[in-house]
Amino acid sequence: ETGVTQTPRHLVMGMTNKKSLKCEQHLGHNAMYWYKQSAKKPLELMFVYNFKEQTENNSVPSRFSPECPNSSHLFLHLHTLQPEDSALYLCASSQDLGLAVDNEQFFGPGTRLTVL
Amino acid sequence: ILNVEQSPQSLHVQEGDSTNFTCSFPSSNFYALHWYRWETAKSPEALFVMTLNGDEKKKGRISATLNTKEGYSYLYIKGSQPEDSATYLCAPIGDSGAGSYQLTFGKGTKLSVIP
Repeated sequence: ETGVTQTPRHLVMGMTNKKSLKCEQHLGHNAMYWYKQSAKKPLELMFVYNFKEQTENNSVPSRFSPECPNSSHLFLHLHTLQPEDSALYLCASSQDLGLAVDNEQFFGPGTRLTVL
Repeated sequence: ILNVEQSPQSLHVQEGDSTNFTCSFPSSNFYALHWYRWETAKSPEALFVMTLNGDEKKKGRISATLNTKEGYSYLYIKGSQPEDSATYLCAPIGDSGAGSYQLTFGKGTKLSVIP
């Protein structure tokens, strides 16, 4: 049990659909992250939130829209995606954004997204 | 974004063998380095967070060293067991340029331990 849950675990959607990914952390952390892992590529950071405020957007296309209503919940709203957006989307949380040695990130199990 | 290289990409070892793999990163713009273990169909799990040159961390049969001056970290597994089979990711932290710090992940080393 990692303390970070993600739903759904699998999602198939068409290019005209709108869907949302949900992440919830039960660890009392203040920072939350969305990562993307495409086939044969490393984990890529998409968005960072700290105390509900977005602090990083790594040049992510606007068809991905994050939302962080509170420090425990993070959403990724998807609309008009492309087949190349098919990937594993991972959520993570950490105590904060600092560099302390105990500030590791805790990951959820991911959502496997397929765009048809 | 840091250039992070992990080698080898994959590795097969016999149960009981000891093994090690490498993470290379730019020695400039370094603040910390994370190692994660990612088993298939599970979540990545933090192993170590290292910050100081010469750091050595240990957790059971797994240990890691850090050389920030030359830009590498080694992960060692002593007496590999089938349950060690996983992908091992390293992620150094550098300044993204906007005054914030991000993990940049390598592609990982996929370890398979053969019983």
